[in-house]
Amino acid sequence: DAGVIQSPRHEVTEMGQEVTLRCKPISGHDYLFWYRQTMMRGLELLIYFNNNVPIDDSGMPEDRFSAKMPNASFSTLKIQPSEPRDSAVYFCASSSRPGQGGVETQYFGPGTRLLVL
Amino acid sequence: AQSVSQHNHHVILSEAASLELGCNYSYGGTVNLFWYVQYPGQHLQLLLKYFSGDPLVKGIKGFEAEFIKSKFSFNLRKPSVQWSDTAEYFCAARSYNTDKLIFGTGTRLQVFP
Repeated sequence: DAGVIQSPRHEVTEMGQEVTLRCKPISGHDYLFWYRQTMMRGLELLIYFNNNVPIDDSGMPEDRFSAKMPNASFSTLKIQPSEPRDSAVYFCASSSRPGQGGVETQYFGPGTRLLVL
Repeated sequence: AQSVSQHNHHVILSEAASLELGCNYSYGGTVNLFWYVQYPGQHLQLLLKYFSGDPLVKGIKGFEAEFIKSKFSFNLRKPSVQWSDTAEYFCAARSYNTDKLIFGTGTRLQVFP
């Protein structure tokens, strides 16, 4: 299995531009999570999906951020317009929920390092 | 609010020293607990996890963690660290009736030869 795939790995853009981050979860996983990691705030959960449906987006910082999951194998996180304070590493993670008594383990992608100038 | 606390922000050790990183959580009910490691420039990888049974959990690379329910703690230990253990370590917890993992702020470990 290739694991969680994210693209691009690095993105440099100018303030005001639209940024789209992509994620392909592990096949068969029905949960997908988007995180942001910064030095100041650590690892923050932005939003997560279950069976392609957004369950909790309370971590999305503001309306400039949006996420979609059109099918089980693809999700996007979009920032429009981008600002310098959005510079961070954005991780995608996926997991399945095993049977009763099991444990959900989240598997992380390599991340997208975003720099907004 | 549910939270995870890691009180050691930065730990510096020499090789062969013993390691213990603290983790406390605020959940009152059944909880699943995790330790993840992030090597420089890489993504988070699972070290070990606890969901029930033996409170002493063995993970990869010689790491272990002990769940002490009365102290709401899940400290990570390794008897003898190596230079290659230099990384950032994150404790995480999930309340049994939710899907969200709450991460601690992380502990940066530096091991010098």
